[in-house]
Amino acid sequence: NAGVTQTPKFQVLKTGQSMTLQCAQDMNHEYMSWYRQDPGMGLRLIHYSVGAGITDQGEVPNGYNVSRSTTEDFPLRLLSAAPSQTSVYFCASSPRLGSSYNEQFFGPGTRLTVL
Amino acid sequence: DAKTTQPPSMDCAEGRAANLPCNHSTISGNEYVYWYRQIHSQGPQYIIHGLKNNETNEMASLIITEDRKSSTLILPHATLRDTAVYYCIVGNNNDMRFGAGTRLTVKP
Repeated sequence: NAGVTQTPKFQVLKTGQSMTLQCAQDMNHEYMSWYRQDPGMGLRLIHYSVGAGITDQGEVPNGYNVSRSTTEDFPLRLLSAAPSQTSVYFCASSPRLGSSYNEQFFGPGTRLTVL
Repeated sequence: DAKTTQPPSMDCAEGRAANLPCNHSTISGNEYVYWYRQIHSQGPQYIIHGLKNNETNEMASLIITEDRKSSTLILPHATLRDTAVYYCIVGNNNDMRFGAGTRLTVKP
């Protein structure tokens, strides 16, 4: 298994541009999520999904859209990039065991700079 | 805001036990305590989690107080590779709030 993969690894955008960060997992996990990590800080939840066709907002959803058309993929869209969105973005997935979700598996991250 | 309080940094001698404390006085009855770590700038790595009882796995032990208001992660024999930022998180997978964590430095 490749686990959780993210593309691209690095990206530089100009203010106002849009782009999609890709995330895929091959572990048939139901739960997937996106976090951002600013320098010297912990991770903050942007959006999450408990299954295909179901998404919900996390702690910092403004400026981002997500969709979950398949179990494997969970892309994150930046609608109009702003310098405040300069960050490292992590995608994660988790299996559902019974009525709860457990260990999250994180991808390697995408380092985004918005000029 | 994170629901946990951790010391910003700790040192530990190689081969000794590392005991990382975490306060979570506002934890509710159905919330778990999770521990993750982040080595350099990699994605966080799951270590252990628990609800009420103490837990042990091949990486670490988790001791949760009876009132569940605090917990301690124990790395029994720390190695240089355990140098990382350790995050204590209270919640569930739908709402995991990472704080700033504890930067553990294992020294030779």
